[in-house]
Formats: sequence, C-alpha cells, structure tokens
Amino acid sequence: KAGVTQTPRYLIKTRGQQVTLSCSPISGHRSVSWYQQTPGQGLQFLFEYFSETQRNKGNFPGRFSGRQFSNSRSEMNVSTLELGDSALYLCASSTNRGGEQYFGPGTRLTVT
Amino acid sequence: GDSVTQMEGPVTLSEEAFLTINCTYTATGYPSLFWYVQYPGEGLQLLLKATKADDKGSNKGFEATYRKETTSFHLEKGSVQVSDSAVYFCALSEPTSGTYKYIFGTGTRLKVLA
Repeated sequence: KAGVTQTPRYLIKTRGQQVTLSCSPISGHRSVSWYQQTPGQGLQFLFEYFSETQRNKGNFPGRFSGRQFSNSRSEMNVSTLELGDSALYLCASSTNRGGEQYFGPGTRLTVT
Repeated sequence: GDSVTQMEGPVTLSEEAFLTINCTYTATGYPSLFWYVQYPGEGLQLLLKATKADDKGSNKGFEATYRKETTSFHLEKGSVQVSDSAVYFCALSEPTSGTYKYIFGTGTRLKVLA
C-alpha cells in the first residue's frame, strides 16, 4: 500500500500570502489529522477530519482551516501568513479514530 | 488535563549500549499508548503501541510496557545501533466527550556513537 503523501514538500511564501497544503491518506483510511511541528513548540495538533467532517480542532487561530473530500484526501489552508507560521506541517491518517496514525513526510513551509 | 512527559534529550550512547527513554502520562480514562520515531527530514513512524494495562509493545528490538500503576510507558532497547539515532515521541490517544484526544510528548533526541 502506498503511504501518506503530502504535496508540496517544500514551500516558500511571503508574509501576508495564503497557502494550501494537500494530503492523500493511505487507501481505506478515513481519518486525517494535521499537525504543526516547530523546534520551539514541538508537535501541535491542528485539526482532525473524519468522513468529510471536522471532528476535533486544536488551539490555532481562524487563519488555519482545512477540509476533507469524499475520497478522504485533505487540504489545509493558512491565510495571511505570518513569520511564525514557518514550520513542518505533518499530515497523518488512520483507519479509525484514536488508533495508530501513519504520517506523511511533511510540507516544510518557510514564510519570509 | 491529559499530558505526556518525556525525559529531556539529547541522549547520547555508544553503540551496543542499553537504552531507556522515560515516558509518563496523565489521563482521565484508559488511553492507548504509542511510541513514534522521526528520522531526519522525515515524518513520524509508528514504532510500537499498547492499548491496555500490562500490554507490551515491541518492534525492531524496542519494547515498552503499559504500566497503569505508575502511569508510565518507558521505551527500552537492549543494544542500540548508530541507525537508531533519531527523535522518539511518546503519545497517547483517549476518547473524550465524543471525540478523541491525541497528545504527543516533546520528543527525545537519541544520538548513538560508533
């Protein structure tokens, strides 16, 4: 089975722009979660989608949003980028909620 | 609230040394516990898991036992290799209020010297 894929792998944006990141889960996985990883804050939960519905949300401002499509693929969007949004964004999928998660390689976002 | 606490790193060991990375948790119910590993430039990979008290998870020579009485899930390996150098994350998953919490520790960097 193919693993979790994330595109793009690297992204450089300017402050104030917006960005969309994409995640394709493992076939058959219906739960997709997003995390932000930074050296200072570690791994922070952004949100979880299951069956196209957001089921859980972390403590991030409204500039961070996401969605899930009927084929379980997910996108996250960050609007009005700030320098502090520079991070590795990780997507993880699982067959059921609360079970082990399978992570993609991440998208490295740099905001200048 | 729920939390996961890991020992601070980096942990530096010589090849073939014994490894212990401590992990303790607080949870209101009965969480599932996980160890993940992250190699440079990659995402996290599931290393092992345990879903109930006294379960032992094991994989690639690593093992951890779910200890409810001490709320711990320490990671051990009898003989580390240079290729084990990575960051290790302890995590828990627990149902709560109709949803699930998934909480990660801050990670422990392991360096193994030849």
